[in-house]
Amino acid sequence: GAGVSQSPSNKVTEKGKDVELRCDPISGHTALYWYRQSLGQGLEFLIYFQGNSAPDKSGLPSDRFSAERTGGSVSTLTIQRTQQEDSAVYLCASSFDSGNTIYFGEGSWLTVV
Amino acid sequence: DAKTTQPPSMDCAEGRAANLPCNHSTISGNEYVYWYRQIHSQGPQYIIHGLKNNETNEMASLIITEDRKSSTLILPHATLRDTAVYYCRTYKYIFGTGTRLKVLA
Repeated sequence: GAGVSQSPSNKVTEKGKDVELRCDPISGHTALYWYRQSLGQGLEFLIYFQGNSAPDKSGLPSDRFSAERTGGSVSTLTIQRTQQEDSAVYLCASSFDSGNTIYFGEGSWLTVV
Repeated sequence: DAKTTQPPSMDCAEGRAANLPCNHSTISGNEYVYWYRQIHSQGPQYIIHGLKNNETNEMASLIITEDRKSSTLILPHATLRDTAVYYCRTYKYIFGTGTRLKVLA
């Protein structure tokens, strides 16, 4: 596709349920990133993939958060046992290589009720 | 550790130049300076980047000091649609807290 694609665009879930957020990066981009943005806040780094491996997952806030990437392309961010404080926009981004221009998707809005 | 420091907010009159500063005093010799902007809660949009020379494109100009410890993004004729949060980035994929620019009619 022409840009980074994320789904779902909006998700409302009940506290305690698991959610999966999907990211389809720009074709040919080897680096993929997940960020979290709470209302009115900045971009909080979560995890960085190079190919299918994650050399930097230092931003994952707890062990309820995990992510994987398969085929060097699509990535899934999973949040288990969601809490209300997980409510935020989850932004995925990709770049040709680490350190290059990063291109963002439009985000997945998660609301935990 | 975001590696960049920006003022939290700025105002600019419509039609005037908006000059947005960024401090990146610990930048390494091979790290580029990137600027992005985010309108409402859309995904951030790339604006411009540079290494040590000043750069200009259809959206903005980037001025990097000779010692590379700071830079300024210039929007030459700000419009109401330029109201957004502007982020500068140098270190890997870590973003600072950004500057909220409000363009006033």
